[in-house]
Amino acid sequence: EPEVTQTPSHQVTQMGQEVILRCVPISNHLYFYWYRQILGQKVEFLVSFYNNEISEKSEIFDDQFSVERPDGSNFTLKIRSTKLEDSAMYFCASSVLADTQYFGPGTRLTVL
Amino acid sequence: GQSLEQPSEVTAVEGAIVQINCTYQTSGFYGLSWYQQHDGGAPTFLSYNALDGLEETGRFSSFLSRSDSYGYLLLQELQMKDSASYFCAVRDRDSGYSTLTFGKGTMLLVSP
Repeated sequence: EPEVTQTPSHQVTQMGQEVILRCVPISNHLYFYWYRQILGQKVEFLVSFYNNEISEKSEIFDDQFSVERPDGSNFTLKIRSTKLEDSAMYFCASSVLADTQYFGPGTRLTVL
Repeated sequence: GQSLEQPSEVTAVEGAIVQINCTYQTSGFYGLSWYQQHDGGAPTFLSYNALDGLEETGRFSSFLSRSDSYGYLLLQELQMKDSASYFCAVRDRDSGYSTLTFGKGTMLLVSP
């Protein structure tokens, strides 16, 4: 069964550094998403991407964040200058239509 | 804005039936989803209800009443592996067509 994959599984970085989280969505899916989950809290929407552009973004997704689909398979989330509060699990998701979203295993980001 | 309410914790024994409720307040409701998450792993899609009524998938069923802004997830013949967190999530016009807004989750503990 096809699934969303993410790399790396764990990323440790120093405050102020840039990080890029990578995702390979399911191949025939049209919508791509990033969510985050701070330890012990609920999953929070960051951004959705459709037809090669951002379709929706939350208040969390400020100028420090950007997304890109650099080729036909990868979908990336860049955090330009990480802060301590960016430490969280970051989930990529994809879907054919927006109703049924399939999540990847996540990247645990630790900012020191 | 949206708000979703679900119990923080539910306990049950193997073989039993458990119902996890979710009430929501949204503008321009599109649908209600349920996700299962084990120990901070990937949220796994369980069901999506856009219309009133009961959807059954194996041991799991999900119900929606749009007029009551209420839904529930019903788990039958509980197994130890069902111990996990269960999140309801809504799509609505205010957040955007492709955005899922998650509740805080219900931790289900299944005992022998």
